[in-house]
Amino acid sequence: EDQVTQSPEALRLQEGESSSLNCSYTVSGLRGLFWYRQDPGKGPEFLFTLYSAGEEKEKERLKATLTKKESFLHITAPKPEDSATYLCAVQAPPDKLIFGTGTRLQVFP
Amino acid sequence: DVKVTQSSRYLVKRTGEKVFLECVQDMDHENMFWYRQDPGLGLRLIYFSYDVKMKEKGDIPEGYSVSREKKERFSLILESASTNQTSMYLCASSRPGREQYFGPGTRLTVT
Repeated sequence: EDQVTQSPEALRLQEGESSSLNCSYTVSGLRGLFWYRQDPGKGPEFLFTLYSAGEEKEKERLKATLTKKESFLHITAPKPEDSATYLCAVQAPPDKLIFGTGTRLQVFP
Repeated sequence: DVKVTQSSRYLVKRTGEKVFLECVQDMDHENMFWYRQDPGLGLRLIYFSYDVKMKEKGDIPEGYSVSREKKERFSLILESASTNQTSMYLCASSRPGREQYFGPGTRLTVT
C-alpha cells in the first residue's frame, strides 16, 4: 500500500537554528515527490517536485533532497516567517497525490 | 500565476441540506481534485477528474458527488449534509503528471 510518513509531527526552532524535516515513503514506482507549505486556514502552497534519487531543489532557506526511501526538507537559518505546516506527498497512478500528515514548524525569535 | 478559486471561505449548513461547493481554475489544467482536510488525518482525496465530464472516485467518496461540465469548473456536492462532513474542503488543479495547485479552501460546518 502506498504510504507517506512525516516526522517529527511538530518542531520548535529558535531563529537561526537549522534543522531537517523527514518524509518517508513507500510507493510502487515513484513518479514524483512533492513538498508543500500550508499556513493556518489556507490552502497548501507548492514548493518543490523531486523525481529521482539524488535530486536536490533549493528555494531561499529551504532545500529538498530525495533518496530511494525518503526525502528531507532542510531549513537553514530559519526565520519566524518560515513557521507553517510542511506537507510531503507522493504521486500515485493515475495522477493522485498521497499526503503525509505534515510537520508543524514554529520558529520563534 | 496559477489561480484556483473556491466559491466560499466559510459555510454553515444544517443536517440534511444539499450543499454545493464550486471550484474554478484559470490555467487550462486538465486535472481537478477535491480533498477534505481534518486534524490528524491530513488531506484525503474525495474525487478527481482528468477531463470534462469524467470523474474518478478517490479514497473517501461516500456521501459526495461531483460535476465537471466545463474544463475550468469542478463542483463538489454533498447530497445530504451530515455533521461528520464538517471539515476543510480543498480544491486543486494540475497538468497531467505535474504539481497540483490548491485553492484557499472552504471551511464547512454542518450543524
